[in-house]
Amino acid sequence: DIVMTQSPDSLPVSLGERATINCKSSQSVFHSSYNKNTLAWYQQKPGQPPKLLIYWASTRESGVPDRFSGSGSGTDFTLTISGLQAEDVAVYYCQQYYETPLTFGGGTTVEIK
Amino acid sequence: EVQLVESGGGLVQPGGSLRLSCAASGFTFSNYWMNWVRQAPGKGLVWVSRIKNDGSFTSYADSVKGRFTISRDNAKNTLYLQMNSLRGEDTSVYYCVRETAEAGAVYFDYWGQGTLVTVSS
Repeated sequence: DIVMTQSPDSLPVSLGERATINCKSSQSVFHSSYNKNTLAWYQQKPGQPPKLLIYWASTRESGVPDRFSGSGSGTDFTLTISGLQAEDVAVYYCQQYYETPLTFGGGTTVEIK
Repeated sequence: EVQLVESGGGLVQPGGSLRLSCAASGFTFSNYWMNWVRQAPGKGLVWVSRIKNDGSFTSYADSVKGRFTISRDNAKNTLYLQMNSLRGEDTSVYYCVRETAEAGAVYFDYWGQGTLVTVSS
């Protein structure tokens, strides 16, 4: 199974500042058939289901604010929130879809400093 | 508007069974692969099972293989998860999740609100 490791577990950030979340996979999730990285990011606010933010490592889902961006390739990926807003307080998860079992990172909790 | 509404959760004793349902609306259900993802209280997300749009292919996490069965009724726009031989570690919120229609991509674009399954004596 591909193990997804996120860091940090918790990230206090001041309003308006940048938040950077890391996700590392135990093997490359670059899929040569599609020439893309098979990685997605989700946001989960308290008491709500997760919401898709990013797929193919860097493609923003429709309606997601452009302060959210994804980057990285192979085994190392980053989700960046440029200019944290109060409504961005949530747990963020990465997920690989290179192969089954589909696996998620352990989550990173973003909070206001 | 896409809606996924789970039902069937509740309290069940260890070794017992439960069947979850997910009523889908707002999209052509028969065109989409569907999944179940679970989340133990205060914990992270864990993929459970997946089913092809026509029901001809299924896959499972090792932790549930042989105990859980995913199925669907496209005429009723409903996804199911039959859970047998339940264990304490199966206690979770179970989410019904739609997989994107994009070829080769298995990420989840719509999630239900979830239904809580508690396995306890």
